[in-house]
Amino acid sequence: QQQVKQSPQSLIVQKGGISIINCAYENTAFDYFPWYQQFPGKGPALLIAIRPDVSEKKEGRFTISFNKSAKQFSLHIMDSQPGDSATYFCAASKAQKLVFGQGTRLTINP
Amino acid sequence: ETGVTQSPTHLIKTRGQQVTLRCSSQSGHNTVSWYQQALGQGPQFIFQYYREEENGRGNFPPRFSGLQFPNYSSELNVNALELDDSALYLCASSLAGGQEAFFGQGTRLTVV
Repeated sequence: QQQVKQSPQSLIVQKGGISIINCAYENTAFDYFPWYQQFPGKGPALLIAIRPDVSEKKEGRFTISFNKSAKQFSLHIMDSQPGDSATYFCAASKAQKLVFGQGTRLTINP
Repeated sequence: ETGVTQSPTHLIKTRGQQVTLRCSSQSGHNTVSWYQQALGQGPQFIFQYYREEENGRGNFPPRFSGLQFPNYSSELNVNALELDDSALYLCASSLAGGQEAFFGQGTRLTVV
């Protein structure tokens, strides 16, 4: 059962542009929504996370927008840089057990 | 770097064999979770250990088993390996009651 749906599967953005990745979840029991960044051959690295009582969280160039009623959340990367090229995973958590989306392969063209 | 270390980094096994993967959690983290990441997919939750007891399990058969030791390090054991077990196995550590989970670099298991 796919509980977290992520889109798009792949995304190409020009340097300096805004990258937007979307996720939707089904289980309203989830209480924590992190985003992870993964480079080839490495484990996922925690990027930014949000709790469902907050509608937006910003850390540097990274912003999560959260819509509890729609059960959707998204990651915005402002001023995208070539070093941001990686695979991004959204996840939803209950009791520290993470359910991941399928991933988005982001490519930033210089 | 997260402080979560996994060994070995790569492993090749034959179908039907058994394998043990190891994880040292980040200092002070008493909860360890294991995930399987197939190529091109998101990680899938296998199980979690807290205070040396299994504390939740995903949709994986009993031939996937684990241990947690008093120093919070952990092992993942897989018996009767199948070709579909080829994947990146990830360990994540966290504080009980906390939300943030930090992953190791993973063990790439190839079953031939």
